[in-house]
Amino acid sequence: AQKITQTQPGMFVQEKEAVTLDCTYDTSDQSYGLFWYKQPSSGEMIFLIYQGSYDEQNATEGRYSLNFQKARKSANLVISASQLGDSAMYFCAMSPNAGGTSYGKLTFGQGTILTVHP
Amino acid sequence: DGGITQSPKYLFRKEGQNVTLSCEQNLNHDAMYWYRQDPGQGLRLIYYSQIVNDFQKGDIAEGYSVSREKKESFPLTVTSAQKNPTAFYLCASSMDRGLQETQYFGPGTRLLVL
Repeated sequence: AQKITQTQPGMFVQEKEAVTLDCTYDTSDQSYGLFWYKQPSSGEMIFLIYQGSYDEQNATEGRYSLNFQKARKSANLVISASQLGDSAMYFCAMSPNAGGTSYGKLTFGQGTILTVHP
Repeated sequence: DGGITQSPKYLFRKEGQNVTLSCEQNLNHDAMYWYRQDPGQGLRLIYYSQIVNDFQKGDIAEGYSVSREKKESFPLTVTSAQKNPTAFYLCASSMDRGLQETQYFGPGTRLLVL
């Protein structure tokens, strides 16, 4: 079974500064995918970034980067140059067997509420 | 524009009543999913479907039913057997092939019990 742990219930950051949101995972699969989603107060889940377990380089998407440390089973999200619009709930999620047959079984963490101060 | 639509945005259920949540996508995605989110919690998978006329139970399928008669549509019925249905329901879809099976979500439906 897969498990995602987000240990930071809430984080605060000053506008224009960088922030790291923590995510650790547990799985016995050799192949898996890691995702980060943003959920603003409207409720919709917005896909931010993906990292495959066999990807050697950390994923980046604009101001988002994923600090992937496979040996430590961590997949932290780094947001650079925070903006007021980044205030939201952030979820780390995992799919087993990336590219394999276990489609649909995304496991989510409890989430971290990020507040960006002006 | 391509996307996922869910309706209604808010839904009220009376005791003993079945209600159906709609989910439609025009992304030509093969797979569709239903998740439940309780306040302050992450998402939990209810049902998912990889192809038309086929679907599998997720982690919390009891009290729910689905159908997949068309590729574009994946309605979720919350039955009277679901004793605690008040939650936020999110529908998602994905290409279901390739290494990156990113799931894209609709805007959600909030279900409240009267």
